Amino acid sequence: GNSVTQMEGPVTLSEEAFLTINCTYTATGYPSLFWYVQYPGEGLQLLLKATKADDKGSNKGFEATYRKETTSFHLEKGSVQVSDSAVYFCALRDTGTASKLTFGTGTRLQVTL
Amino acid sequence: DAGITQSPRHKVTETGTPVTLRCHQTENHRYMYWYRQDPGHGLRLIHYSYGVKDTDKGEVSDGYSVSRSKTEDFLLTLESATSSQTSVYFCAISESDTGASPLHFGNGTRLTVT
Repeated sequence: GNSVTQMEGPVTLSEEAFLTINCTYTATGYPSLFWYVQYPGEGLQLLLKATKADDKGSNKGFEATYRKETTSFHLEKGSVQVSDSAVYFCALRDTGTASKLTFGTGTRLQVTL
Repeated sequence: DAGITQSPRHKVTETGTPVTLRCHQTENHRYMYWYRQDPGHGLRLIHYSYGVKDTDKGEVSDGYSVSRSKTEDFLLTLESATSSQTSVYFCAISESDTGASPLHFGNGTRLTVT
């Protein structure tokens, strides 16, 4: 079956540091890949997505590239802010109809001044 | 933000009682989903719906039932709540059931079963 593996958190960074959150996946076929962000007390918000190999998704300074050869979709940001503190979820969705969204376990990011 | 409202936002109930959580959407999306979120597990799919009166089970459906009598409303019922169902429940909607279509989530219901 499909699965998503994220790096264990929490990740603690100083403001303006470079961020990488690793995500690898196992899937049959060619899934679409997503990053969601969850701020405290809120639901998940779509951060970015990529639907085919070598696609780069980007939003709010975050980016991730769909790497089929390494089955990875690592999230990066060049300079984090305190307001980026949240839990980040990597997810995949199968191609075809009736496809489900499969999540990783989430990575908590804490950014300090 | 996607127009998704979950109610109640918080609920405390006793073991053995029935509980119904409601999800209401204003986007007229065909597909709706219920997930639960637990530490160390991410989000797991409970049930989903692909149209009025059309529902199916997800990976953790035991102890839960759903109903969808209108496009905009998707109800999740715990027939007889247990402590293992203490969790945060999220409703999600999607315009399409194909891979590239993202899900959009509500703000969740925190359920505590004592």
